[in-house]
Order: sequence, then C-alpha cells, then structure tokens
Amino acid sequence: AQSVAQPEDQVNVAEGNPLTVKCTYSVSGNPYLFWYVQYPNRGLQFLLKYITGDNLVKGSYGFEAEFNKSQTSFHLKKPSALVSDSALYFCAVRHSSNTGKLIFGQGTTLQVKP
Amino acid sequence: GAVVSQHPSWVICKSGTSVKIECRSLDFQATTMFWYRQFPKQSLMLMATSNEGSKATYEQGVEKDKFLINHASLTLSTLTVTSAHPEDSSFYICSALMTGQLYEQYFGPGTRLTVT
Repeated sequence: AQSVAQPEDQVNVAEGNPLTVKCTYSVSGNPYLFWYVQYPNRGLQFLLKYITGDNLVKGSYGFEAEFNKSQTSFHLKKPSALVSDSALYFCAVRHSSNTGKLIFGQGTTLQVKP
Repeated sequence: GAVVSQHPSWVICKSGTSVKIECRSLDFQATTMFWYRQFPKQSLMLMATSNEGSKATYEQGVEKDKFLINHASLTLSTLTVTSAHPEDSSFYICSALMTGQLYEQYFGPGTRLTVT
C-alpha cells in the first residue's frame, strides 16, 4: 500500500538557521512527490514537486527538497528560515491509480522563532 | 494562473439544513476535482473525486447521500452537505486538476462550515 510519513509533528528552528522537514514514502513504481504549505484557515499552496530528473528540486519561497531513492525520502529544506515560514507543511505522493489522487502525510508544523 | 476559488469561505447553518459549497477553476478547465475534509491540526482526508459529466467517486466510509457532489461543467464542482449535523462542522477544501494533466492539484482556499 502506498503511504507517506512525516515523522515529526512539529519542528522548531530559530530564524536564520537552516530547516529540514522530513518525509518518507512507500510506493510501487516511480514516485511523484509533492510538498505543500498551509497557513491557518487557508487552502494548500504548492511548494515543489519531483517527477523525474535531478534529485534536488528547487521550489517557491527559497525551499528545496532532495529526492533520495535508496532512503525513500523527500525532505524539505531551506538554508535560512524566516518567521513567516511558520506554517503547516504537507508531503504528498501521487496515487498509483493514475487518477491524480494524492496521498498526504499527517503534516508537520514548522515554528520559526525570532 | 491556475487559481481555484471556493464559495463561501465560511458558513454557519442550523442542524438539519443543507449547505452548498462551490469550487471553481477560474482560469483553466478541470475535468477532475477533489473534495477534502480537514479537522483542526490534522491532515486532509479525501472525500471524493469529482469528474465532469459523470458521478463522483467516493472514498470508503464517506456517505454519498449526505455529501452530494455535482460537477456539471469543466470549471465548477459543488459539494452539498445535506441534513447537516454538528459533527459535519469542518474545513472543506477542494482542488482541481488541469485537464490533460495528472501531476499537480491546485487547491482552493477552503470553506469553514459550522453547524449549530
């Protein structure tokens, strides 16, 4: 069965420090992976995706993610965190049914303190 | 580009009444739209897949007679919560797949439903 795991409910980091939000996945076949961010009472905003190609994917707002096939991971990273990055982050993988459905992780709250 | 809107953004209704939520793709056509439900500080739960011109596909455990989905055009899907009860109170989010693409869902801003 396909699944996505975000092992940390919350990540705390000081402003200016690098941040990492972890994601591991389990899929059959090639994974199509996504990161979304959600601010309170808002919908999801797309950050980046991995379909194929370079393992390091660059996305919006200075975020990037590294696809690691051997470790089945797709961790989200940013070199220097901003207080405004504080939000709920979701990792997702496309369902193998080819219907476009996504399977979401449970979400990780990122708290960036000044 | 690729903007999805939802209306209303929030609604309060009395128990037993029905509420309709609209999801529109503003600048693209969407053969497929998805409806999600989200509880506070939790992940998104897929309720159903809405396909233009055909019946929606509901996820296991979702009552299709309670959550009516209509996708009558390539830019509009509606979710009607029938005979709403307080336990239906939640944040409902829709997303849309651009016709011909299977990779990226574009999400609406969500609708907060409170049933009193």
